[in-house]
Amino acid sequence: NAGVTQTPKFRILKIGQSMTLQCTQDMNHNYMYWYRQDPGMGLKLIYYSVGAGITDKGEVPNGYNVSRSTTEDFPLRLELAAPSQTSVYFCASSYSSGDPTWNTGELFFGEGSRLTVL
Amino acid sequence: AQKVTQAQTEISVVEKEDVTLDCVYETRDTTYYLFWYKQPPSGELVFLIRRNSFDEQNEISGRYSWNFQKSTSSFNFTITASQVVDSAVYFCALRPRWAGGTSYGKLTFGQGTILTVHP
Repeated sequence: NAGVTQTPKFRILKIGQSMTLQCTQDMNHNYMYWYRQDPGMGLKLIYYSVGAGITDKGEVPNGYNVSRSTTEDFPLRLELAAPSQTSVYFCASSYSSGDPTWNTGELFFGEGSRLTVL
Repeated sequence: AQKVTQAQTEISVVEKEDVTLDCVYETRDTTYYLFWYKQPPSGELVFLIRRNSFDEQNEISGRYSWNFQKSTSSFNFTITASQVVDSAVYFCALRPRWAGGTSYGKLTFGQGTILTVHP
């Protein structure tokens, strides 16, 4: 019963380093998302994907990149890490049956990845 | 544009008290979904409820109940006889049902309400 799995759970980076947050889901969901959560704030959408090979920017995409080569995986790449990217990152997925332009399912979230950039 | 406002930043109650968490939203979409998520101290996000915009019936699940009023764009959440285990951050969220165009079915979160239940 894995659901959405994120790795790593914790990571400390130095300014300018790069890293990839991994996200895998085993529910055959077509939609996948990356959110970040800053203290006292709600979640902000970084990138999303409506299916393999299709990705697009959310509200706060600067400094990040994603890819979706398979239905299951949606990694988030941080290039040239900055202190402003210190946050908790959540990967999520949802499913829409039938026409994929009707997004009917609830989001299932991973446990989060806490990233600190020093 | 979508917006979700949870005006209560923090609420503190004593066990067994009833507590209501407010949520007000703005959207131009005619059909949409409203959600409540719970984030306990362990950090994961737990789905509580999804409500369609065309279904205004209130819902009760055990000690939890939700009051959806489209006329006032509100989707409030009440916990009856609160318990210490209810202590968490609660998020209200909104998503258009239509995932085409620029909305892409984006889920917009409120800022969250921190609920602390004291024994």
